[in-house]
Amino acid sequence: AQSVTQLGSHVSVSEGALVLLRCNYSSSVPPYLFWYVQYPNQGLQLLLKYTTGATLVKGINGFEAEFKKSETSFHLTKPSAHMSDAAEYFCAVSGWTDKLIFGTGTRLQVFP
Amino acid sequence: EAGVTQFPSHSVIEKGQTVTLRCDPISGHDNLYWYRRVMGKEIKFLLHFVKESKQDESGMPNNRFLAERTGGTYSTLKVQPAELEDSGVYFCASSQGRTGAYEQYFGPGTRLTVT
Repeated sequence: AQSVTQLGSHVSVSEGALVLLRCNYSSSVPPYLFWYVQYPNQGLQLLLKYTTGATLVKGINGFEAEFKKSETSFHLTKPSAHMSDAAEYFCAVSGWTDKLIFGTGTRLQVFP
Repeated sequence: EAGVTQFPSHSVIEKGQTVTLRCDPISGHDNLYWYRRVMGKEIKFLLHFVKESKQDESGMPNNRFLAERTGGTYSTLKVQPAELEDSGVYFCASSQGRTGAYEQYFGPGTRLTVT
């Protein structure tokens, strides 16, 4: 079975500060890991994904995530937050099936 | 290229009524997925079509939910009769192939409210 835990349903940062959104997963098979973002009134958009190979994955809008197998983590970071980053972020895992298993989401607020 | 579209964007119905949600995937995408997010909880998988065939329907909550994909193009999700606990946002996604290799593109969702 697979599962995802996102620590912190709400995260607030100041503009220009580091963004760190935490994701831990559980998987009995080698996982594929994803971060999606949802802006208001829009669908989910893929930020980045890890399948195989390099464990540090770079995505759109300056975000990156590192796959740490020993810690079963896939935390999302961005060095400097921008007001436009305010959105809800979802970590997801898939494995031998094609369905995505999502975490409960983290709403990011960015203050000026 | 048009993205995944869903209709309606919002639906408010009374308990016991029937509602049909529609999803139009990106043209050429054989894989179509339905997910649901109940308020405050995670987005949960409902089912997966490959062309017109149901590949995985392990997430369908009960037999009040019926999904179809006519001719491998658009898909409908019917809820009959609707119950209060069916309220939530229903997302549709499509992809060209297997999840690890291909991105799932999501629609904006249909917000269903059952009163």
